[in-house]
Amino acid sequence: DTAVSQTPKYLVTQMGNDKSIKCEQNLGHDTMYWYKQDSKKFLKIMFSYNNKELIINETVPNRFSPKSPDKAHLNLHINSLELGDSAVYFCASSQDGSWSPLHFGNGTRLTVT
Amino acid sequence: SQQGEEDPQALSIQEGENATMNCSYKTSINNLQWYRQNSGRGLVHLILIRSNEREKHSGRLRVTLDTSKKSSSLLITASRAADTASYFCATDRSSSNTGKLIFGQGTTLQVKP
Repeated sequence: DTAVSQTPKYLVTQMGNDKSIKCEQNLGHDTMYWYKQDSKKFLKIMFSYNNKELIINETVPNRFSPKSPDKAHLNLHINSLELGDSAVYFCASSQDGSWSPLHFGNGTRLTVT
Repeated sequence: SQQGEEDPQALSIQEGENATMNCSYKTSINNLQWYRQNSGRGLVHLILIRSNEREKHSGRLRVTLDTSKKSSSLLITASRAADTASYFCATDRSSSNTGKLIFGQGTTLQVKP
């Protein structure tokens, strides 16, 4: 069973389009995250949610809007995509915030052309 | 600014040798975590060491933490080709468990068979 699953794995789209990435975890964790990894492998947190409540919004452009319909799901919607949005986006979850290990999905590679 | 910095950025060794990776950080922390990332995959948690701990072991992995020097090391003993991956340290410096982990830029380890 996949603990943290995100779809799609690959996403190729043109500038200006709107796209969504979905994430689901079956670990019963309370906290979920979105991280962005750039081409140099630098990993940076974007958002975290605890029990559907936004906890961290790390100076991300408001074109990015996370949505958590329940504590097992955290989706990421991106409006008006730009070339600089090309990256790998990782969803993750943890039981007790950053005081416990994070479980990552396998990532969504977004390419904006 | 980036919290953790790994050293070296890249490491190439023969199977059977030990691999040591270092991580330095700038501010006081609650815990430090090490993760492994295989190519095209998500990060996998290896070890979490709390600020009041000095050393932890897990199988062939040994992690040390020196809070006075603000540094940590990850030692992989008797390396195998399957250990080839990128290794990241991540620090939690939040006092309120917001879930914000700061990742370093990683060490790319290649183990030659």
